[in-house]
Amino acid sequence: GNSVTQMEGPVTLSEEAFLTINCTYTATGYPSLFWYVQYPGEGLQLLLKATKADDKGSNKGFEATYRKETTSFHLEKGSVQVSDSAVYFCALRSGGQNFVFGPGTRLSVLP
Amino acid sequence: ETGVTQSPTHLIKTRGQQVTLRCSSQSGHNTVSWYQQALGQGPQFIFQYYREEENGRGNFPPRFSGLQFPNYSSELNVNALELDDSALYLCASSLTRGAGTDTQYFGPGTRLTVL
Repeated sequence: GNSVTQMEGPVTLSEEAFLTINCTYTATGYPSLFWYVQYPGEGLQLLLKATKADDKGSNKGFEATYRKETTSFHLEKGSVQVSDSAVYFCALRSGGQNFVFGPGTRLSVLP
Repeated sequence: ETGVTQSPTHLIKTRGQQVTLRCSSQSGHNTVSWYQQALGQGPQFIFQYYREEENGRGNFPPRFSGLQFPNYSSELNVNALELDDSALYLCASSLTRGAGTDTQYFGPGTRLTVL
């Protein structure tokens, strides 16, 4: 079945540091890939998405590129802020089926 | 455009009781999905409703059931509550049922605690 694997957290960075959160997936067909973010006490918000190979999703300084050859969708940001502290979920949707989420990676950014 | 809303925000029940959680989908969205998010884990798909009919179900027992109403709002019902049912329950709405590229918009969730 479909599955998503993320790097384990928590990840702790200083403000303005470079961020990478790794995500790899297993899926049949050609999935759409997503990153969602969950701030403390809130539901999930869509951060970015990519729907086909080599697509790059971007939003709020975050980027992720759909790499079919490595089945990866790593999240990156060049300079994190304290306000980026949250839990980040990688997810996929394949063939009209429902979303499959990774376990989440908690990011803490220190001032 | 109103977002996805859920009620109540928090709920405490005891083992064996029944609970109903409610969700109002984003304006114009006809598909609602429910997820269970245990502490420290990613959301797990419970089921989806499209135009008042169940359209897919995850690996959850029959005591988890749902409804969707003509205005596309939805309920999640859980009978015979167990301690492991304690979790954040998330509702998500979307515009289409089968397209692989649509996006789900999540509500803030209902935190259920079973004692």
